Amino acid sequence: QVQLQESGPGLVKISETLSLICTVSGGSMSPYYWTWIRQPAGKGLEWVGRIYPTGNTDYNPSLKSRISMSLDSVKNHFSLQLKSLTAADTGVYYCARDVPGAIDAFDLWGQGTMVTVSP
Amino acid sequence: QSVLTQPPSASGTPGQSVTISCSGSSSNVGSSSVSWYQHLPGTAPKLLIYWQNQRPSGVPDRFSASKSGTSASLAISGLQSEDEGDYYCSTWDDSLRGRVFGGGTKLTVL
Repeated sequence: QVQLQESGPGLVKISETLSLICTVSGGSMSPYYWTWIRQPAGKGLEWVGRIYPTGNTDYNPSLKSRISMSLDSVKNHFSLQLKSLTAADTGVYYCARDVPGAIDAFDLWGQGTMVTVSP
Repeated sequence: QSVLTQPPSASGTPGQSVTISCSGSSSNVGSSSVSWYQHLPGTAPKLLIYWQNQRPSGVPDRFSASKSGTSASLAISGLQSEDEGDYYCSTWDDSLRGRVFGGGTKLTVL
């Protein structure tokens, strides 16, 4: 069965860039959108953005100026880069599979990785 | 401030039924399918309902959902203690060109 696993540094400094990778095992990356969702400390879920295997991306407008996403269908992983970090970027980051069409939902999620942004 | 509005909390006793609402607008709930997620403490969120009222394999039929206009709702019948957690609605927003979530509803089973 398909599984997702996030990896990346648990601690990053203010003003630096966060880099996370989500590895997809047990299945193909097509024809799905691959998504990052985060949960800031003490708050609800926030959609960060998504990437399609063609390279097309959609980003949260509030984060668009700081985000970059990429996908490697050979290595079966996709990544998130979030620059100019502030303390407000602290939280759990999840990767998820967004299924278009008749499902139109996030049907698979990674376990999440905690990211702390410190001075 | 979330694009979709959910009540911050809901509660019920074991065996009771509870409904969680999700209010949006014509650019999101009114024009796209709504999905619902269960987020239990210490676990990853889980898809409960997709395409308004479809359940993935393994989700009990105690969970159901509906949509009317720019509002959607999740109903849970026969409440169990293991249902305690956070519930989120989500959909696509045509104006924002992105996915949006409700603020989440914390369900307490008394």
